Amino acid sequence: KAGVTQTPRYLIKTRGQQVTLSCSPISGHRSVSWYQQTPGQGLQFLFEYFSETQRNKGNFPGRFSGRQFSNSRSEMNVSTLELGDSALYLCASRSDRTGELFFGEGSRLTVL
Amino acid sequence: KNQVEQSPQSLIILEGKNCTLQCNYTVSPFSNLRWYKQDTGRGPVSLTIMTFSENTKSNGRYTATLDADTKQSSLHITASQLSDSASYICVVSRMDSSYKLIFGSGTRLLVRP
Repeated sequence: KAGVTQTPRYLIKTRGQQVTLSCSPISGHRSVSWYQQTPGQGLQFLFEYFSETQRNKGNFPGRFSGRQFSNSRSEMNVSTLELGDSALYLCASRSDRTGELFFGEGSRLTVL
Repeated sequence: KNQVEQSPQSLIILEGKNCTLQCNYTVSPFSNLRWYKQDTGRGPVSLTIMTFSENTKSNGRYTATLDADTKQSSLHITASQLSDSASYICVVSRMDSSYKLIFGSGTRLLVRP
């Protein structure tokens, strides 16, 4: 059974640009959530989607947005990038049956 | 307020020694508590899950305990190995329709030879 796949794994952007990250959940999982992790910090919850609807949202500015498609794949977008947006962005899909989170390997974003 | 607090923030131990990580929570209503291990630059991986009625659960050299009365959990690592160097994250689920998960800030463990 394939795990959670995130693309791209690494990317470099400059301030003011925008970025889109992609996440393919485990087959059959309808919930996808996104997290930001800066160096030495814990996981900060961004948002969660379930069956194409945003179910929960963290305390991030409107520059951070996401969406989920009918095949459960999800994307998150960050507009007008700031230096502080440099982080590891993790996606997780959640088992409908057990509630367990399965994380991808993350997308490491560097903003110059 | 729903919170999960982990201690210590960081820990250094010698290879072969045991250690215990703590997780205190104020999440209510409580559904379950999970421990995750996160290697540097990688995604977290689930170690154990504890429900309300469970006191102890083991996964190899990892043993988690839960005291639902005091709302405390611990993760005990026996005979530590260099590969145990990682961050350990405690995550608590609420038993309601919010499906919300509350994350602790993690404990960074470094095992030295």
